[in-house]
Amino acid sequence: GESVGLHLPTLSVQEGDNSIINCAYSNSASDYFIWYKQESGKGPQFIIDIRSNMDKRQGQRVTVLLNKTVKHLSLQIAATQPGDSAVYFCAEENQGGKLIFGQGTELSVKP
Amino acid sequence: DTGVSQDPRHKITKRGQNVTFRCDPISEHNRLYWYRQTLGQGPEFLTYFQNEAQLEKSRLLSDRFSAERPKGSFSTLEIQRTEQGDSAMYLCASSTQGTTEAFFGQGTRLTVV
Repeated sequence: GESVGLHLPTLSVQEGDNSIINCAYSNSASDYFIWYKQESGKGPQFIIDIRSNMDKRQGQRVTVLLNKTVKHLSLQIAATQPGDSAVYFCAEENQGGKLIFGQGTELSVKP
Repeated sequence: DTGVSQDPRHKITKRGQNVTFRCDPISEHNRLYWYRQTLGQGPEFLTYFQNEAQLEKSRLLSDRFSAERPKGSFSTLEIQRTEQGDSAMYLCASSTQGTTEAFFGQGTRLTVV
């Protein structure tokens, strides 16, 4: 069946370092993936997305990499800041625009 | 603030009571989604509307749950005869058909005691 999962439940990094959050998916037919950031008590916030016809997409301080061969997705955050502390989810879009989320990785940034 | 608003933000209810949540999407968005999120987990899809039509319901949506979007604008999610297992964050999201980004509200946190 379909599943989107994450390798690590928690990640702790030093302020200024780069962060890498990983995600594995099982549906090889998946076409569209999104990373969301969720702060405590708030709804998920869109960070960056990527389609299956791409292997890399860059945003402001964030980069998403897609490896379709091994069905792996990663989110890289450059120069991590305390404000980046949150739970990060990868999600896969299904028919009708509904999203299938993974469990999440909690990112903690140490000053 | 994403422009999607949910009310109430928090709800505590006794087991067996009915509760209703409201979601106001971004006005030009024709798609509206409901998700449920329990602690430490990612959001799980419940149902979605395109305009006023409810196009899909998850198996998670038992017969105690009902959602409406009568005029294709705001939506309500009602849970009848609440159970402790219904305790969760209920999230609403909206988007426009043909686009990809869905905007989430702040959620309604339900606690059933």
